[in-house]
Amino acid sequence: AQSVSQHNHHVILSEAASLELGCNYSYGGTVNLFWYVQYPGQHLQLLLKYFSGDPLVKGIKGFEAEFIKSKFSFNLRKPSVQWSDTAEYFCAVNGGGYNKLIFGAGTRLAVHP
Amino acid sequence: DADVTQTPRNRITKTGKRIMLECSQTKGHDRMYWYRQDPGLGLRLIYYSFDVKDINKGEISDGYSVSRQAQAKFSLSLESAIPNQTALYFCATSVPGQGWAGELFFGEGSRLTVL
Repeated sequence: AQSVSQHNHHVILSEAASLELGCNYSYGGTVNLFWYVQYPGQHLQLLLKYFSGDPLVKGIKGFEAEFIKSKFSFNLRKPSVQWSDTAEYFCAVNGGGYNKLIFGAGTRLAVHP
Repeated sequence: DADVTQTPRNRITKTGKRIMLECSQTKGHDRMYWYRQDPGLGLRLIYYSFDVKDINKGEISDGYSVSRQAQAKFSLSLESAIPNQTALYFCATSVPGQGWAGELFFGEGSRLTVL
């Protein structure tokens, strides 16, 4: 069965630290990849997405993600986090012949001042 | 005002009660979805609708039903609520023509507690 794995369930960082959140999926073939973010008390919103082309995707608020097809990965990165990045981050994948959008379990990020 | 509005935002109920969660949207999107969020499990799809006459089961539809009353309204019902349906429920919409590759626009969530 298709699956999406987010390795880190909880991450705690200090402000200005670098961030990398892992996302791996089990599909083969063409995929569409997403990162959604849920700030405390708010609804989920799209952070960035990859459909095709340049595997390094830039999103809002300084986030970026790199699609590495050989590793079935779409890791989210930010060079220097801020307290306002405290949120839960969800990776989601569509494709590989599976006609739905599958979400990972989420990673809860806490950034301390 | 929110483009995707869910009511109620919080609800506490007892086992066996019938519960309806409502979703309305002003985005003009044809596609609407209901997801359930549980800690450590992420979001799981309950039902989805690509237009008013199209209703489809998702991954975890057992114990739930839906009604698409209009393009803008999509309701989720728990006919007889049970404690393991305690969760945060999200309604979402998306633009047609992009299949499952389209961006989802979420409501603010309905937190349901079943005692």
